[in-house]
Amino acid sequence: ETGVTQSPTHLIKTRGQQVTLRCSSQSGHNTVSWYQQALGQGPQFIFQYYREEENGRGNFPPRFSGLQFPNYSSELNVNALELDDSALYLCASRQGLTDTQYFGPGTRLTVL
Amino acid sequence: TQLLEQSPQFLSIQEGENLTVYCNSSSVFSSLQWYRQEPGEGPVLLVTVVTGGEVKKLKRLTFQFGDARKDSSLHITAAQPGDTGLYLCAGARNYGQNFVFGPGTRLSVLP
Repeated sequence: ETGVTQSPTHLIKTRGQQVTLRCSSQSGHNTVSWYQQALGQGPQFIFQYYREEENGRGNFPPRFSGLQFPNYSSELNVNALELDDSALYLCASRQGLTDTQYFGPGTRLTVL
Repeated sequence: TQLLEQSPQFLSIQEGENLTVYCNSSSVFSSLQWYRQEPGEGPVLLVTVVTGGEVKKLKRLTFQFGDARKDSSLHITAAQPGDTGLYLCAGARNYGQNFVFGPGTRLSVLP
């Protein structure tokens, strides 16, 4: 176990709806990154939060947004869900900007 | 276009065989990592390499970072069914930046 937790485990939504996914980072970690992993592919970087500010973003549209809270937990929000948003959403935490990051188990989102 | 390419995409071998999987890029990375991911779970970090030419061993697994820091390999000796999983490489272009993942090599070790 990495100490990184995510909720919910599974989620089913319909096209056009909005979703919020949550991540609790490992104790002492102040950086959280979010990834989208489609079936059969590697994780794709969505964005990263460091000390409550976004400090890196991948090639995802603005309807993907996030927050990091003072306790360094984080949320990923996706508006206007599309069928292609169906994927495993992973968060990873690390201390500062060190190399070693630890992944949570992911949230499996299905958009119908 | 993938920044990181991995080969082979799929590999199915018998228990006890040796194998090597590759991670290649045209870009230079400050650090490169290898992960193993099992179905329904998040990736688990196996190793981080940061120096060109570096070789690291983790029991039956040997990792090598290319001299030019553009490629890496993972060699498994005497594979076991427990090695089955998706092997992902990930690289960071500069210290502190996000990691870019390759598409992975799906390994199946048959008993």
